[in-house]
Amino acid sequence: SQELEQSPQSLIVQEGKNLTINCTSSKTLYGLYWYKQKYGEGLIFLMMLQKGGEEKSHEKITAKLDEKKQQSSLHITASQPSHAGIYLCGALNTNAGKSTFGDGTTLTVKP
Amino acid sequence: GAVVSQHPSRVICKSGTSVKIECRSLDFQATTMFWYRQFPKQSLMLMATSNEGSKATYEQGVEKDKFLINHASLTLSTLTVTSAHPEDSSFYICSAATQTGFGYTFGSGTRLTVV
Repeated sequence: SQELEQSPQSLIVQEGKNLTINCTSSKTLYGLYWYKQKYGEGLIFLMMLQKGGEEKSHEKITAKLDEKKQQSSLHITASQPSHAGIYLCGALNTNAGKSTFGDGTTLTVKP
Repeated sequence: GAVVSQHPSRVICKSGTSVKIECRSLDFQATTMFWYRQFPKQSLMLMATSNEGSKATYEQGVEKDKFLINHASLTLSTLTVTSAHPEDSSFYICSAATQTGFGYTFGSGTRLTVV
């Protein structure tokens, strides 16, 4: 089965600082998604990456997928309190059409 | 577009009763929906895959007689927690593949508390 490891498990940064969250797969990824969630609420889709070496940006958030399609990073530039939450990476299991998720990274941004 | 509506958002029920959670795709057809469970400060755990017009596929360790899934139409899947116990208290969330390249759209989740 697809296993995703996220690091770090939690992160506390000062407002304005940059940060990176990593997601590593035990298998080659067919597709990788990044979501943001506040616990007890729904997930907000951030980005989807499918091609090796692909990089996408949305506002101050950039996600990359490495060439081997086994590792992705999510980078936030000049963090703000609004960026706080749980970030989850999810991998599409093409065989079953279902997604598996990493354990999440809890981000706290101190004003 | 690609909105998934989940209802109710919060429910409190007595131990031994059953609770139904609905997941609707509002502006697209979803032949497949997924049900997840999330414990505090933990990630999402896939419970089952709901297929329109056929039986759901349950993940290992999930009791299908306890978590009944019905996907009777292309826009509605329901999860019924039968004979609920306090250990069933959790956050339940559904998702559907949008086929638009934007990944999976998630419902807003249901917080179930069994007392």
